[in-house]
Parts: sequence; C-alpha cells; structure tokens
Amino acid sequence: QKEVEQNSGPLSVPEGAIASLNCTYSDRGSQSFFWYRQYSGKSPELIMSIYSNGDKEDGRFTAQLNKASQYVSLLIRDSQPSDSATYLCAVRSNAGNMLTFGGGTRLMVKP
Amino acid sequence: DTGVSQDPRHKITKRGQNVTFRCDPISEHNRLYWYRQTLGQGPEFLTYFQNEAQLEKSRLLSDRFSAERPKGSFSTLEIQRTEQGDSAMYLCASGDHYEQYFGPGTRLTVT
Repeated sequence: QKEVEQNSGPLSVPEGAIASLNCTYSDRGSQSFFWYRQYSGKSPELIMSIYSNGDKEDGRFTAQLNKASQYVSLLIRDSQPSDSATYLCAVRSNAGNMLTFGGGTRLMVKP
Repeated sequence: DTGVSQDPRHKITKRGQNVTFRCDPISEHNRLYWYRQTLGQGPEFLTYFQNEAQLEKSRLLSDRFSAERPKGSFSTLEIQRTEQGDSAMYLCASGDHYEQYFGPGTRLTVT
C-alpha cells in the first residue's frame, strides 16, 4: 500500500465547474499537508498548505483535512482551462522533514 | 527574491559518466531538499540539509549519490557512474520549517 494515494485521473470537468481532488494517507503521525500544482514539463508549485482539521480557503482553492479519516482534499471553484495540470498531494510526518508525495491526479478543464 | 535556481536545466550523459548538479536556494531559507521525479510519479525524497548539516538521507540514495552543502548556502548533488535508471528530473527545494518551494529542476538523460 502506498503511503499517499491519489486517483491518477484524468479528472475532466467543464469550465466553471468545481473540481474535487482527493488524497488519502497511511501515516497517522502526519501533521502537515500540501497541494502542489505541476504543469507538464515544469516543477511542482505550492498552492495550498493545511495543518489542522477543517477547511482552509485561498481564492478559488479550498483545502479540506480530516485526520480521523486520514483524508485531505482540494476543491477548485470556477475551474479554468489554465487549471489543467497534475495536482500532487504531499504529506509530512512528525518523524522527519521530508515530504511524501502521491502520484498526482491529472485535471483537465474543458472550455 | 528570485526563487530556487538549479543548474544545468538539462543534462545528457553517457552511462558510466559522473554528473554534478547545483542548487541555489531562496536566500533566507536554511533548509534544502533534493528529490527525484520520474514520469508519471510524484517526487521522491533523496536528502535534506539544515544549514550545512545533512540530516536525512533516503534509502534511495545509493553510494553512487553524494550531496553537499558547504557553508550552508548552495548545494550540489553528484551521481557517480551513472546508470540508465538514473534518468529522471532532479528537483531541489528550499524552505522554512513548514513549506517547501521547488526549483525548476534538472532533467537528466543517461544514454
């Protein structure tokens, strides 16, 4: 079982819709959670971080964390074609400083 | 602040050759990380420095790999006797206690 799991997709949504990306993790000691966006051929770009249970909103992005269920999600409202990318979920445990990444979900926003 | 920079951006080498990559972190960050990413996968942690001290190393980091961060500023990652399986994107990130920001990466192709 992978430590951080994501559906590889592609997840296809129409322009203007809400895109919902999900991630589960296995290490209950995980304390910090991150979403990165990666365009094809580019490096990952940090878009959201979340450290406590609940929702965190930043513009069109909302991260949701449920530590009891070991689940973190990213909602993108009013999706735009420019949001088409791979979204990587990353987790850091208390035991170290490294990030453990999921394999990413490819999002396609169709005009 | 110009962000994390990496050099070279692309490197093609023949199997058995040695290669060295450089990373310049964001100036106020004392933490520096190296990751490796292959196509369709999330980044995998290689090693971590706090200032000049190398504090964590992944099991992935074979004895052909060595990393340094003299004086706690830039870092180098050397791969000796390259193998075709070393072909990947090598990503450097820097950060504070909480977040990590990636550079553009060095794409290595071993022929």
